[in-house]
Formats: sequence, C-alpha cells, structure tokens
Amino acid sequence: NAGVTQTPKFRVLKTGQSMTLLCAQDMNHEYMYWYRQDPGMGLRLIHYSVGEGTTAKGEVPDGYNVSRLKKQNFLLGLESAAPSQTSVYFCASSYSSAGLRFRELFFGEGSRLTVL
Amino acid sequence: ELKVEQNPLFLSMQEGKNYTIYCNYSTTSDRLYWYRQDPGKSLESLFVLLSNGAVKQEGRLMASLDTKARLSTLHITAAVHDLSATYFCAVELGNSGNTPLVFGKGTRLSVIA
Repeated sequence: NAGVTQTPKFRVLKTGQSMTLLCAQDMNHEYMYWYRQDPGMGLRLIHYSVGEGTTAKGEVPDGYNVSRLKKQNFLLGLESAAPSQTSVYFCASSYSSAGLRFRELFFGEGSRLTVL
Repeated sequence: ELKVEQNPLFLSMQEGKNYTIYCNYSTTSDRLYWYRQDPGKSLESLFVLLSNGAVKQEGRLMASLDTKARLSTLHITAAVHDLSATYFCAVELGNSGNTPLVFGKGTRLSVIA
C-alpha cells in the first residue's frame, strides 16, 4: 500500500522557471492538501481540494496553482519560481468528515525545492 | 478564525524525566490530532482525539482533550532519546465539513542523556 506519493523528492530551480509537483494517493480519499514547511513556521496550507475538479485557497496561495483532474492526483504548480518559494512541500490526503469519519491526514514524504 | 498555539516551541529534557506539551485553540472543536515528525522526514499520525475527555496512550506518550478548556496535552513519561522529534497538534473546526485542519507551529523535543 503506497499511501501518498510525491514526485519529485528533490528539485533545484532557477528564478523564473516553472515546475509541477505531483501528489498521488491510493486510499480513495476525498480531500487532498498541499502544505509548505519552513523553519520556525510550522506547516502552512497552500491549496486544498475537497473533491475531484474542486480546489480552494489556503493560507499562502500566492505564486502557486493547483489542479485535481482525477480523484487520486493533486498537482501543485509554480508558474515563475522565486527564492521565497524555497521550502519543503508536503502533500496530504484525508477522508471527508461525513458520517462517522474523521479527517486524519496522511502525508507524503515531502518534496524539497530550492530556487536559486 | 481558528488559531492553534503550542507551547513550548522548544523543549530539551533529560532522559527519564516527565514533561507535558500544551496545545491551545481558539474556537470550539471536538476533534484534535497529534502528529510526530522526525528530522528530515514526513509527519506521522500519533493520536486522534474525538471527544471531550478523550485520552489515548501509546508507550510513553499520552494525549488528552478538554474541549471546554480548548486544550489538549501530550504527556511524556520517562523520556527516552527515541522520542526526540517535532510534535504537532492540529484542530478540526467542528464538523463544518470542508474546513482544513489548522496546525500549531510544532514543539521540537530533544531528549538528552
């Protein structure tokens, strides 16, 4: 059972370049999330999705775009990378809160991005 | 707006000692989660607390939830080096359905001999 898989795990970009991070989950979760983690800042939510074809902004959405064309995949795009986007990015997924389920998050391994 | 505060943010403790990490949150919620993160690794779920008075224990860690006080605690008993990690609490905003969890900034625990 793979759980949540992120690719790539490491990437170095030059300022202005674009890239896409891919998150895939095999748990049939409705919700998916992208967080960034920076020293002393904890986890900050970038964008999230509550279902296929839907996305919403989180706490720090500027400079990022997302898409959820399939239930199992959630893509995070950087249109024009900036040094301030150097961070570790985590994808997570969860069930919805419907019924008796609770929203325990399952995280991917993280993607370390450096923008020079 | 839901705010989640953990304290302390840094904790250095000796092996064999006991200590408590606190997680306070600002609005009504009856669902709280604790996660552990080892350096350079991902977050893994430790405890899910789903109601007032809930208590969960695993090994040397025990988590509790007081929804009236809007407080969760993570108690460490007789710390060992293997518990060194960063611990996060996260709060679910009631049962509103679509609202993401809000995380605290994390408590970096270092257990020293």
